[in-house]
Parts: sequence; C-alpha cells; structure tokens
Amino acid sequence: KQEVTQIPAALSVPEGENLVLNCSFTDSAIYNLQWFRQDPGKGLTSLLLIQSSQREQTSGRLNASLDKSSGRSTLYIAASQPGDSATYLCAVFGGGYQKVTFGTGTKLQVIP
Amino acid sequence: DAGVTQSPTHLIKTRGQQVTLRCSPKSGHDTVSWYQQALGQGPQFIFQYYEEEERQRGNFPDRFSGHQFPNYSSELNVNALLLGDSALYLCASSLWDRMETQYFGPGTRLLVL
Repeated sequence: KQEVTQIPAALSVPEGENLVLNCSFTDSAIYNLQWFRQDPGKGLTSLLLIQSSQREQTSGRLNASLDKSSGRSTLYIAASQPGDSATYLCAVFGGGYQKVTFGTGTKLQVIP
Repeated sequence: DAGVTQSPTHLIKTRGQQVTLRCSPKSGHDTVSWYQQALGQGPQFIFQYYEEEERQRGNFPDRFSGHQFPNYSSELNVNALLLGDSALYLCASSLWDRMETQYFGPGTRLLVL
C-alpha cells in the first residue's frame, strides 16, 4: 500500500524567502507525481505534474523535482509572497490502475 | 467554462440520515472521481465513474455509493451517516485514463451531528 508523507506539516516564513516542501512515498512504482495547492475550505488547484520519466518541472517561481529511486519529491518556491499562503499537497499516481494517493499536506504561511 | 461545480456547498445532517451530493464536470471531461477530505488530512479516494459505471473504488464501505448520468454529471450518496463522515467531499473531473488532468470542484462541506 502506497503511503505518502509530507514534511513539515506547517511552515511559517517571512516574505521573500526561498523555501522547500518535501514529499516522500513508499512505493517507487509510480507513473506521475502532482503538486496541488489548496486554499482554506476550497478545492485543489494543480501546480505541477512530473511524469515518471522526468526529473523536474518548472512553472514561474515553482520548481518540482522527482527522485523515484529514493521515493522523494520536492517543491521549491522562490521569493515567497503572502499570496503563496495555502496548503500544498502532493499526489502520487501508481500502485494500480489510475490509483492516486495524496499526502497530508504542508500548510504554508508567508508573513508580509 | 464554469469548471467543476458541486452542490450544495454546505450541509448539516444527523447520524443515521442519508445524503446526496452532486457534481457537474468540466466541459469536455468524461470521468468523475470523488474524494473525502477530513480536517487536516489529504483527500482520500472514494470511487471513480466513467461511462456511467463505477470503475475504481477506494477503501470505503458500501454505505458510499454513486451514480453517473449520461451528461457525465455524478452523485455521491452516503447512507446511515456516522459522525466520522463529517468532511469536505471533493469531486474531480478528468479525461478517462488521464487522471493527471483532474480539475477539482470547490467541495461540499458535510457536518454530521
């Protein structure tokens, strides 16, 4: 059974700081990993998708990396802004046909 | 395009009652997945519908059932509600065989008293 862990559970940083969010998974037989953002009480917004054959993806100030062999992914946020405050979730696709397992999320607060 | 819409936004029920949640997928999507998200947790996959049939199911009891209509919209039904069913229920639509294309709705917040 796939287990996905995100560390830290919560993070508070001053505006402008660069930061790294971590996601680890137990079964390396995945075919996609996706990072989402969730604002309080709202649905999920896809940020970045990394296919198993890729090692990283970039979108603006966001960069996500994937190391399947070690069961890890990181989401790097450059020059953080208060608008980045949200919960960040990683989701792992694999372990069966179209099975998806979410992590518990990292709650980020960027202080102006 | 309105994206994925869900109704109602909030719902309060008592133990033992039954509830029906509704979801309209993003235009062009044919697959609907339902998730349960307890407070402080990540979403847990409930089941997925495609061509009006349940195609995959997570580790949820038979009290959770669903339906997909010819227009691709979907319902989630929960019978004999328990306090532990209190959660945010998320609907996501996608293209069949491409779950990475999922778009999520805003969710329905269910409180069971």
